[in-house]
Amino acid sequence: DTAVSQTPKYLVTQMGNDKSIKCEQNLGHDTMYWYKQDSKKFLKIMFSYNNKELIINETVPNRFSPKSPDKAHLNLHINSLELGDSAVYFCASSPRTGSTEAFFGQGTRLTVV
Amino acid sequence: AQSVAQPEDQVNVAEGNPLTVKCTYSVSGNPYLFWYVQYPNRGLQFLLKYITGDNLVKGSYGFEAEFNKSQTSFHLKKPSALVSDSALYFCAVRPGDSSYKLIFGSGTRLLVRP
Repeated sequence: DTAVSQTPKYLVTQMGNDKSIKCEQNLGHDTMYWYKQDSKKFLKIMFSYNNKELIINETVPNRFSPKSPDKAHLNLHINSLELGDSAVYFCASSPRTGSTEAFFGQGTRLTVV
Repeated sequence: AQSVAQPEDQVNVAEGNPLTVKCTYSVSGNPYLFWYVQYPNRGLQFLLKYITGDNLVKGSYGFEAEFNKSQTSFHLKKPSALVSDSALYFCAVRPGDSSYKLIFGSGTRLLVRP
């Protein structure tokens, strides 16, 4: 079983559309994250949830809205997609304690055309 | 500002030779330090971490890393590189004042030539 799974793996869409990326973890972790990896491979945290509560909200356009229906799921909805949103989005999870490593999903490659 | 630096975009090494991938950090408190590896079109895989104790930590695939508090560094090392080690390596730091935020360096591409 995949520990952290994201769907879809690839997403190609037109500018202006609204899309969602789903993430699920079966590790029983309390904390989940969304990271964005740009074309230069920089990894930047976007959001973090702990037990369905938003903990970290970095400087991200409000077109991006995370939703956590339960602690095993953290979905990312993006409104009015722009060309600059093209990137690989990674979901991750970890236990609450800071000393434990985060586990990453395989990524969703979003291409906005 | 809290940050992690990986000064080398790419490291080239011949198979069988030792390798070092550098990482320095600037964060508050006593941080937790991690190394991750990313293979093409894949997610990040955890390699090793430093929490406390012995400054030399050992991880997966024969990798190790040395924590140096005075130099605020956490360099990744391997005594003998393999071609299959070629990948993108990320250093990450969780600041001591935050259990949630994991800050990544810019990544270093390791190329091991046969």
